[in-house]
Amino acid sequence: DTAVSQTPKYLVTQMGNDKSIKCEQNLGHDTMYWYKQDSKKFLKIMFSYNNKELIINETVPNRFSPKSPDKAHLNLHINSLELGDSAVYFCASSPWTSGSNEQFFGPGTRLTVL
Amino acid sequence: QKEVEQDPGPLSVPEGAIVSLNCTYSNSAFQYFMWYRQYSRKGPELLMYTYSSGNKEDGRFTAQVDKSSKYISLFIRDSQPSDSATYLCALKGGSQGNLIFGKGTKLSVKP
Repeated sequence: DTAVSQTPKYLVTQMGNDKSIKCEQNLGHDTMYWYKQDSKKFLKIMFSYNNKELIINETVPNRFSPKSPDKAHLNLHINSLELGDSAVYFCASSPWTSGSNEQFFGPGTRLTVL
Repeated sequence: QKEVEQDPGPLSVPEGAIVSLNCTYSNSAFQYFMWYRQYSRKGPELLMYTYSSGNKEDGRFTAQVDKSSKYISLFIRDSQPSDSATYLCALKGGSQGNLIFGKGTKLSVKP
């Protein structure tokens, strides 16, 4: 059984388009995260959600918006895609509401903006 | 100075070698120190976790934290080709804090 799953695995799109990446976890965790890993493999947190409330919002462009329909899902919507958005996006979850040292990562979504 | 510095490598060693991976950091508020392993085209997975200074051993892996020097290490004994991956250190201040990742060191263990 997949613990943290993301769809799609690969996403190729044109500049200016709007796209969404879906994330689901079946671990019963309270907190979910989105990370961006750039071409230099630098992994940086973008958002985290705790019980459907945004608790961390790093300085990312407002073209990025996380949406959580329920505790098991945290989707990432991106408007007006730019070349610099090309990266691998990882969803993660953790078991404690106060944050956790162990985060369980999904397989990643490789986004390429042309 | 960046919060966490990690040599990206790549590091290539023969099978059976002892591997030493390191990170340095600047913020003395970090209290939680982790090592994540990331295989190619996969998400990171937690390998070791240490709170404050000291050593922690798990099988072939040993994590060390020296808070006075702001230096953390991961040692891999009897390295195997299956250890070939990118190793990322991750640090956190308090229980509510973000994980701050190093850039990762790419390790290749040759048979």
